Amino acid sequence: DTGVSQDPRHKITKRGQNVTFRCDPISEHNRLYWYRQTLGQGPEFLTYFQNEAQLEKSRLLSDRFSAERPKGSFSTLEIQRTEQGDSAMYLCASSPWGGGTGADTQYFGPGTRLTVL
Amino acid sequence: GENVEQHPSTLSVQEGDSAVIKCTYSDSASNYFPWYKQELGKRPQLIIDIRSNVGEKKDQRIAVTLNKTAKHFSLHITETQPEDSAVYFCAASTDTNAGKSTFGDGTTLTVKP
Repeated sequence: DTGVSQDPRHKITKRGQNVTFRCDPISEHNRLYWYRQTLGQGPEFLTYFQNEAQLEKSRLLSDRFSAERPKGSFSTLEIQRTEQGDSAMYLCASSPWGGGTGADTQYFGPGTRLTVL
Repeated sequence: GENVEQHPSTLSVQEGDSAVIKCTYSDSASNYFPWYKQELGKRPQLIIDIRSNVGEKKDQRIAVTLNKTAKHFSLHITETQPEDSAVYFCAASTDTNAGKSTFGDGTTLTVKP
């Protein structure tokens, strides 16, 4: 395992369709983050998991978005009833958060580029 | 919440010159400041980071300085090379927000040969 992987790398869908993305973190990392990045902007935090528990969701994450990490390993991000405004790069990152003080380095995946027509 | 501002948005330098990118943050509790390099179509990759208990960190041609009082930190790249051309993002995070990072909007660095 050489890094965070994401699948698919690209997704084109029609407005109103549902899409699901997958993220496989670095195997020993217990924290997993989802970010969204639009052109010309930095990544924006969406949600994160500590093992299988989803501990925080951004206000950016509407009810159409849901994320899971059922066994504390890979995670999925689903968008229901996609809208054109959902078009963006969806980035996953993981970190070996140790439970103590000090934020840990986040390692990013290659992202899934979503285009909603 | 945290707000991170990054300047300049674009920077063009001649090969061999130095480049400096500056970021300011709003949350005085922030204590971890990573810098990422993102090439076109690729993932953000960490190039250097600094924690609030130090004022400066250097790794070969790259250095980061932190001024906690003024709440700003800067990336310095010396002897720039064309392969340094990319978008650079600063970020800030704190233990109390679970390490999730707030990013600046990026600086597009172009190094002209």
